[in-house]
Amino acid sequence: SQTIHQWPATLVQPVGSPLSLECTVEGTSNPNLYWYRQAAGRGLQLLFYSVGIGQISSEVPQNLSASRPQDRQFILSSKKLLLSDSGFYLCAWSVSRDSPLHFGNGTRLTVT
Amino acid sequence: QKEVEQDPGPLSVPEGAIVSLNCTYSNSAFQYFMWYRQYSRKGPELLMYTYSSGNKEDGRFTAQVDKSSKYISLFIRDSQPSDSATYLCAIPNNNAGNMLTFGGGTRLMVKP
Repeated sequence: SQTIHQWPATLVQPVGSPLSLECTVEGTSNPNLYWYRQAAGRGLQLLFYSVGIGQISSEVPQNLSASRPQDRQFILSSKKLLLSDSGFYLCAWSVSRDSPLHFGNGTRLTVT
Repeated sequence: QKEVEQDPGPLSVPEGAIVSLNCTYSNSAFQYFMWYRQYSRKGPELLMYTYSSGNKEDGRFTAQVDKSSKYISLFIRDSQPSDSATYLCAIPNNNAGNMLTFGGGTRLMVKP
C-alpha cells in the first residue's frame, strides 16, 4: 500500500532563517506531488505541484520554492522566512491531476 | 465568488444526532466530488469519493448532490464523538485542469 511521510511535525524558526521541509511517498511510481498551506480557520491553498522529476508548477507568488530531486521526493524550501510564512504545510500525492489526493500529516511551522 | 464554499461552523450536536454538512459550488460541469475529514493537527483523509450522478452511502455516511441548487451534502447518521473533526469538500476545477478545489471546511463537534 502507498504511504506518505512528511517531516518534521512541528518547527519553530526565526524570521530570516532558511526552511527545508521534506516529503516522501512509498508504494507508487511517478505520482503527482503537491504542497499545500492551511492557515488557521481557512481552507487549503495550493502552493506547488509536480507531475515528474524536476517539473514544478507554482500556484502563488511567494518566497517559497519547491524541488523534486527524485520521483517520490518533494521538498519545500525558503531562503529567508517571513512571519507570514507561518502555517500548516501539507504534502499530498495523487495518481493524476483529477484523482483523489492523499495527504501527509503536515508540518506546523511557526516563524517568530 | 469562491469556487467552493462551506459554512465554517463550528457545528455542535449531541451524540446520536443526524448531521448535515453542505458545500455550494459555482462550477456546474464537475463529474465527481470528494469529502475529506481532518482531525486536529492531522492531514485531511479521504472520506468519500462520489460521482455527481447520484448518492453514495458508506456506513453512517451518505453523500448527495443537488445540481439544481449547486449543493453537495454529507450526512452523518448516529453521530459519535469520534466524528468531531473538520470536514472539507473538494471538487475538480475545470478552470485549473481539473485539479481539486477545496472548500474552507466545516468544523463539527459531537458532544457525548
